[in-house]
Amino acid sequence: GENVEQHPSTLSVQEGDSAVIKCTYSDSASNYFPWYKQELGKGPQLIIDIRSNVGEKKDQRIAVTLNKTAKHFSLHITETQPEDSAVYFCAASKPGGSYIPTFGRGTSLIVHP
Amino acid sequence: NAGVMQNPRHLVRRRGQEARLRCSPMKGHSHVYWYRQLPEEGLKFMVYLQKENIIDESGMPKERFSAEFPKEGPSILRIQQVVRGDSAAYFCASSASGGSYEQYFGPGTRLTVT
Repeated sequence: GENVEQHPSTLSVQEGDSAVIKCTYSDSASNYFPWYKQELGKGPQLIIDIRSNVGEKKDQRIAVTLNKTAKHFSLHITETQPEDSAVYFCAASKPGGSYIPTFGRGTSLIVHP
Repeated sequence: NAGVMQNPRHLVRRRGQEARLRCSPMKGHSHVYWYRQLPEEGLKFMVYLQKENIIDESGMPKERFSAEFPKEGPSILRIQQVVRGDSAAYFCASSASGGSYEQYFGPGTRLTVT
């Protein structure tokens, strides 16, 4: 089955800096890669996603890049703000069957004011 | 609020009791997924249901756990004879269709077994 590795497990940055979280996946059939933000005591919230027919997608301060050959994808947050502090999860899904995503173990992002 | 709803938000059970967790999907969504999250870990898939059907239960423990999504009412995840190892956050997600990748999560139920 699919295996998703996520790094780093913890990331501490100063407000205004950029943050990058990286994930690798094992199944070349995976073609959908969402990113979720989970704040303390809340459920994961879908913040951005990318499909394998594109290499990059941007939404304001958040961008995701995908390298299908290397089987890795990354989340980039620019101009970080304290409210970006949360746990971020990457995931990978493939077509067919139930489209069940496999999640990474999460990255705890701390943005210091 | 048309988001995914879960209740209760917090549930405390003694060992051996039953836990019932409820999930109402987003309006217009007919596909429900249950996940378990242990501290410091990611989300682990448990079961995927459509109305009155279990589609994929490959992540569900073989004993004590069951799930349903009746024609009317919320989806229910039931854990019988709970043990301390069942303590976790349980999240429900919904999607518009089985061929839709996008899943939207509820706030979760935090189960504590004493």
